[in-house]
Amino acid sequence: DGGITQSPKYLFRKEGQNVTLSCEQNLNHDAMYWYRQDPGQGLRLIYYSQIVNDFQKGDIAEGYSVSREKKESFPLTVTSAQKNPTAFYLCASAPGQGYEQYFGPGTRLTVT
Amino acid sequence: RKEVEQDPGPFNVPEGATVAFNCTYSNSASQSFFWYRQDCRKEPKLLMSVYSSGNEDGRFTAQLNRASQYISLLIRDSKLSDSATYLCVVIQTGANNLFFGTGTRLTVIP
Repeated sequence: DGGITQSPKYLFRKEGQNVTLSCEQNLNHDAMYWYRQDPGQGLRLIYYSQIVNDFQKGDIAEGYSVSREKKESFPLTVTSAQKNPTAFYLCASAPGQGYEQYFGPGTRLTVT
Repeated sequence: RKEVEQDPGPFNVPEGATVAFNCTYSNSASQSFFWYRQDCRKEPKLLMSVYSSGNEDGRFTAQLNRASQYISLLIRDSKLSDSATYLCVVIQTGANNLFFGTGTRLTVIP
């Protein structure tokens, strides 16, 4: 059963805490992406990775960090430096650069 | 100017109607185009790719107009289940130049 999974579906944290969102795919895709979506807004790219052990900042990387130690996994850490962390976080993967992306079900993070 | 622009809508249409959305892009070097569907509080799901020759999948038809730099999505015989936000995606040549539109919201009314 191939696909891309994110966990947890809902996450609640206190302000000032770092939190890590999981993203796993078994599609054998090289490229993985993290987006953030705010209510009524479009998707904004946080980080992306085209290959293991390499990743690049997207448009809104400040306050976030990622790692890509395995092809299947691309976790995102939301640090306390992120000023407005409450949002819907979406992970996606693609066979490579320039191909259509497939999304996980997302994680709704609420920071109070 | 935004890389990709869509009319946010909402488009409210009766069941059975035909509805069309356009999405304009600014960079003529854009090479790949897609339509995604996003239901409320869910992830975007790939609806269809858009080929230069146009393509059809059941009630859905996607077309590309390179001269005027837009893609379109036509939905015939609208169903209640078509209610969603439709996102266009444009990929340019080069390093990870993928751009999402902000989406067009469609509501099909009984």
